[in-house]
Amino acid sequence: QVQLQESGPGLVKPSETLSLTCTLSGGSINNYYWTWIRQPPGKGLEWIGYIYYNGNTNYNPSLNSRVTISVDTSKDLLSLRLSSVTAADTAVYYCGRWNEGVDYWGRGTLVTVSS
Amino acid sequence: EIVLTQSPGTLSLSPGDRATLSCRASQSVRNNYLVWYQQKLGQAPRLLIYRASNRATGIPDRFSGSGSGTDFTLTISRLEPEDFAVYYCQQHGSSFWTFGQGTKVEIK
Repeated sequence: QVQLQESGPGLVKPSETLSLTCTLSGGSINNYYWTWIRQPPGKGLEWIGYIYYNGNTNYNPSLNSRVTISVDTSKDLLSLRLSSVTAADTAVYYCGRWNEGVDYWGRGTLVTVSS
Repeated sequence: EIVLTQSPGTLSLSPGDRATLSCRASQSVRNNYLVWYQQKLGQAPRLLIYRASNRATGIPDRFSGSGSGTDFTLTISRLEPEDFAVYYCQQHGSSFWTFGQGTKVEIK
């Protein structure tokens, strides 16, 4: 059974870089697309970007200059970096496996941007 | 950017009722690459429908998706107590994937 678990700091200061890791178990990074999606408290879903296991990426244009998604196929790890964060980046961050839709989701991790 | 507009914002229904949720795109969604998710409070979303009309693995057949081009519909034929939740559509037909703002299905 595929399981995903996000991890990283729950609190990030404004202007700093948000870094999250998504650990995959019960499956392999290979041959799939992987995505990050976020949800501000009480609001809807926002697509951040995706990465193919070979490293090809595509990002939300509104975040493009600040976001980096990477994979480590040897460790079945997915990573997200978002630079120059502001309070507007406060959200629950989800990682997921893309298979014509996100068919497996992590439980999500709340990241708060505050000084 | 393809903007997805979901309506209504809130749907107040009773168990056993039929629910019809709409997702309208600002331009045609290539290959009907339209997905529906269900999200319950405090949980991650769950994939219901992919490519507009295909049920995901394990999804009950009371959930159905239809539509093409710019107009898509999610229908729940008979609401069960566990179906009261927020539903989102998402398109991946363009390189910039987008979500609708969600429809909340609440108990009347």
